[in-house]
Amino acid sequence: GQNIDQPTEMTATEGAIVQINCTYQTSGFNGLFWYQQHAGEAPTFLSYNVLDGLEEKGRFSSFLSRSKGYSYLLLKELQMKDSASYLCAASRGANNLFFGTGTRLTVIP
Amino acid sequence: ETGVTQTPRHLVMGMTNKKSLKCEQHLGHNAMYWYKQSAKKPLELMFVYNFKEQTENNSVPSRFSPECPNSSHLFLHLHTLQPEDSALYLCASSQAMDTGNTEAFFGQGTRLTVV
Repeated sequence: GQNIDQPTEMTATEGAIVQINCTYQTSGFNGLFWYQQHAGEAPTFLSYNVLDGLEEKGRFSSFLSRSKGYSYLLLKELQMKDSASYLCAASRGANNLFFGTGTRLTVIP
Repeated sequence: ETGVTQTPRHLVMGMTNKKSLKCEQHLGHNAMYWYKQSAKKPLELMFVYNFKEQTENNSVPSRFSPECPNSSHLFLHLHTLQPEDSALYLCASSQAMDTGNTEAFFGQGTRLTVV
């Protein structure tokens, strides 16, 4: 089976840095995706980690440790528009993508 | 616009009705997916099609019947649904490779309400 855990809700202040953690357990693991989903909208791709380490893309960075089954998404210089749900998803096999429940991030002034 | 289009955006149906959800992708991808998103639950993978062939059925009840006539189109036929089937149904596509899939692109979803 597979299991993905991430916090349900987080709150952070505009301009600050926030880290959203994700732990996973799945057989045939290929890589770890992060998606952003605003209320009422489709999830949109943020990052994909296959190898251990940190991938940086502008204000967003994602980290993966395959041996620990752990990933995090780091958001810097938070903006109000970053308020959304952030979905962690493990890729398994050729084309299976399993999602966590998502972390609802609220950015406050 | 993500390149994946779903229709209708909203659907209200009775438990005895038969309806279909449609998904179309213009990205040239070879894999298409149906996901169910309920409140406070993870996105649940329902079906996976790879080159028009169904490769995954995650124990979905038979009242949900997928159809993939070609690599660009995916349908979800619905009949005798239950109120607990009310959810957001998301279609996605990706380029599946032996080493794993590329990122999935999602449609805007169909908000289904079963009354």
